[in-house]
Amino acid sequence: EPEVTQTPSHQVTQMGQEVILRCVPISNHLYFYWYRQILGQKVEFLVSFYNNEISEKSEIFDDQFSVERPDGSNFTLKIRSTKLEDSAMYFCASSGQAGGQRTNYGYTFGSGTRLTVV
Amino acid sequence: QQQVKQSPQSLIVQKGGIPIINCAYENTAFDYFPWYQQFPGKGPALLIAIRPDVSEKKEGRFTISFNKSAKQFSLHIMDSQPGDSATYFCAASKRNYGQNFVFGPGTRLSVLP
Repeated sequence: EPEVTQTPSHQVTQMGQEVILRCVPISNHLYFYWYRQILGQKVEFLVSFYNNEISEKSEIFDDQFSVERPDGSNFTLKIRSTKLEDSAMYFCASSGQAGGQRTNYGYTFGSGTRLTVV
Repeated sequence: QQQVKQSPQSLIVQKGGIPIINCAYENTAFDYFPWYQQFPGKGPALLIAIRPDVSEKKEGRFTISFNKSAKQFSLHIMDSQPGDSATYFCAASKRNYGQNFVFGPGTRLSVLP
């Protein structure tokens, strides 16, 4: 079964440092997302990406965050200057298209990257 | 209006029991309602989903009941097993195509052997 792959599985960084979280979405998917989950809390939407641009973002996704699809396979989330409160599990997700229409077809989450800011 | 409420926060049942998890929403623009199952250290995995034009959907041991007028929906797990022990999240999105989900706060289910 196709998977969304995220690396690294765990990253520890010092406050103020930049981090890049990496994701390889499912190969024929066109829509890409980042979510985060602070320990023990609900999953929260950060950003969606389609056709090489951000299609929607939440108020969490401020100027410290950016996303990029640098090549045909990777999708990255960059946090410019990490804060203690950025410590969370970050999930990448992707979804496809069926019958020429946008659907939630195959909406799949990766296993996440646990980011710890110290 | 973007919030999805979920209860209970945690639930313990015996093997074979039927846990029921309830969710409620306010935004009538939501029209796609999935349930996700999450095991520790893993990402959410889609369990079952429903659209508001039906009142019930069943897939294997999992059933969603949907009450459009009350803006509520619930997940029932028939013949629950210890392997069903996980956190369950309800979610909602505005359109039935690739969009961001609004998640409920989650229910931690423990099924005792």
